Amino acid sequence: DAKTTQPPSMDCAEGRAANLPCNHSTISGNEYVYWYRQIHSQGPQYIIHGLKNNETNEMASLIITEDRKSSTLILPHATLRDTAVYYCIAVGTASKLTFGTGTRLQVTL
Amino acid sequence: ETGVTQTPRHLVMGMTNKKSLKCEQHLGHNAMYWYKQSAKKPLELMFVYNFKEQTENNSVPSRFSPECPNSSHLFLHLHTLQPEDSALYLCASSQELAGVYEQYFGPGTRLTVT
Repeated sequence: DAKTTQPPSMDCAEGRAANLPCNHSTISGNEYVYWYRQIHSQGPQYIIHGLKNNETNEMASLIITEDRKSSTLILPHATLRDTAVYYCIAVGTASKLTFGTGTRLQVTL
Repeated sequence: ETGVTQTPRHLVMGMTNKKSLKCEQHLGHNAMYWYKQSAKKPLELMFVYNFKEQTENNSVPSRFSPECPNSSHLFLHLHTLQPEDSALYLCASSQELAGVYEQYFGPGTRLTVT
């Protein structure tokens, strides 16, 4: 599976959009981009995933560049409860999820 | 009960004790997983069960013994653990389909080995 690179930490003001970048420059054509988050001392929570097209659900939007080498997770109106570690994972069929160190997002008042 | 539940939530055990962690999923999934999360380290996949059959063992020491009696229940039996085994143990479940990686995690068991 392709390696992903994320900034170790980011801050975001409450009510603003949080844009979390992920680089996956070696991603292959059959690998999906998955995003999870882990609030302190809880189990990870699935957020969204995509292959080529941009995706949106009730939690977030996922923007994947046309060359698929990077993506951005967007939380449109961050709240304090969105403070968590966010994991970007590139995974192909017949593989397993491999969590890295993620981005620690701190939402502040 | 909904989702994935784990019991106990906290466990302190001595190195000579035997204990078991329990996981139950109420989502109708057919795959279940054990992960370990040590302090300041990424989640590590330990075991995978698909339709009650173990399909993956990531070189986990034999002092950790999983059991999956049916698709809804998963156990992790612990014996003669070491202090470095202290960690958050997470259970997850998913519908095992090719290319589907939406896993649903339980709250975890915080294990301390003394």
